[in-house]
Amino acid sequence: EPEVTQTPSHQVTQMGQEVILRCVPISNHLYFYWYRQILGQKVEFLVSFYNNEISEKSEIFDDQFSVERPDGSNFTLKIRSTKLEDSAMYFCASSAGAEQYFGPGTRLTVT
Amino acid sequence: AQSVTQPDIHITVSEGASLELRCNYSYGATPYLFWYVQSPGQGLQLLLKYFSGDTLVQGIKGFEAEFKRSQSSLNLRKRSVHWSGAAEYFCAVGEGVTGGGNKLTFGTGTQLKVEL
Repeated sequence: EPEVTQTPSHQVTQMGQEVILRCVPISNHLYFYWYRQILGQKVEFLVSFYNNEISEKSEIFDDQFSVERPDGSNFTLKIRSTKLEDSAMYFCASSAGAEQYFGPGTRLTVT
Repeated sequence: AQSVTQPDIHITVSEGASLELRCNYSYGATPYLFWYVQSPGQGLQLLLKYFSGDTLVQGIKGFEAEFKRSQSSLNLRKRSVHWSGAAEYFCAVGEGVTGGGNKLTFGTGTQLKVEL
């Protein structure tokens, strides 16, 4: 069964550093998403992406964040200058329609 | 703005017992509703969805849910819980538009513990 994959599973970075989180969505899906879950809190929407542009973004998704589909298979989330409060689990999801399928997540730890 | 409430933060059941997890939503139109499960260290797995039509929907792993418009709810049920069902369960609401790109709003989750 096709699934969404994410790399790395765990990323540790220092405050102020740039990080890129990678995702490979399900191959025939056209809609891509990033969500995050701070420890002990609910899953929060960050951004949706379709047809090579952002469809919607939340207030969390400020200028420090960017997304890209650099080729036909990868979907990336870049955080330009990480802050301590960016520490969270980041989930990528993809969909062909309304049902979103999630990857296993990348745990980002900012020290 | 859409919102989801899961009133029970923790639930403990005995193995073999039945289960009902509550979910209430707030949305101005007909929503798309989802239940996901997150096992420890894992991602979110889709259990079932409700879009329209029959108010009783079947999902994977023996789960079902009943949509009640009058109560703005989609409660998740299972007749007999196995110990492997211990996990966190999330209800989510998406905008009721066809196609993709819908932002999902999640509830705070219900942590299920299963006693042997």
